[in-house]
Amino acid sequence: DAGVIQSPRHEVTEMGQEVTLRCKPISGHDYLFWYRQTMMRGLELLIYFNNNVPIDDSGMPEDRFSAKMPNASFSTLKIQPSEPRDSAVYFCASTGEGQINTEAFFGQGTRLTVV
Amino acid sequence: GESVGLHLPTLSVQEGDNSIINCAYSNSASDYFIWYKQESGKGPQFIIDIRSNMDKRQGQRVTVLLNKTVKHLSLQIAATQPGDSAVYFCAENNYTGTASKLTFGTGTRLQVTL
Repeated sequence: DAGVIQSPRHEVTEMGQEVTLRCKPISGHDYLFWYRQTMMRGLELLIYFNNNVPIDDSGMPEDRFSAKMPNASFSTLKIQPSEPRDSAVYFCASTGEGQINTEAFFGQGTRLTVV
Repeated sequence: GESVGLHLPTLSVQEGDNSIINCAYSNSASDYFIWYKQESGKGPQFIIDIRSNMDKRQGQRVTVLLNKTVKHLSLQIAATQPGDSAVYFCAENNYTGTASKLTFGTGTRLQVTL
């Protein structure tokens, strides 16, 4: 397996534009997580899915953020409209085969810069 | 104005020496703990985990110790190598019965000197 795949690796956009980050989890994993990493706040959990259903989105900062998982092999994190303070590295991770209390495999991340 | 970012504690260790990285966690109900390693430009990578019913677990060159009394976790790396240079995060998991949340610490930067 190629691991968790995220795209794009880097994204630079202007304030006000819509940004869509993509993630392909490891095949067979039941849980998918979206994290944000900044120097100010470290690694923060934004939302996670179990079997494509959002379970906990309490970490999503604002209504400008939304996440979907239309099927077991794909998830998106959308920011609309984007703001400079959204600049961060966004990680997707997956875990499971039925277990959440196990190691999570992280993607390489998407570095988002909003100017 | 200038923003204030996280000041990562840094541990400098000479190659071949043992490293000990410490972590204090916040929730006494946390039932599962993980150590992750993050190299520059990469995502966190799992190192070792431990459940709350254990106080020690060993892997290859790594040992995790859990002290629930003082809510303290440590990662010991034996014979530290240059490739061990990275930021290390501890994470605690709290399962509420309907949802589970993994909370990461702020991290410690390990620098291995030759």
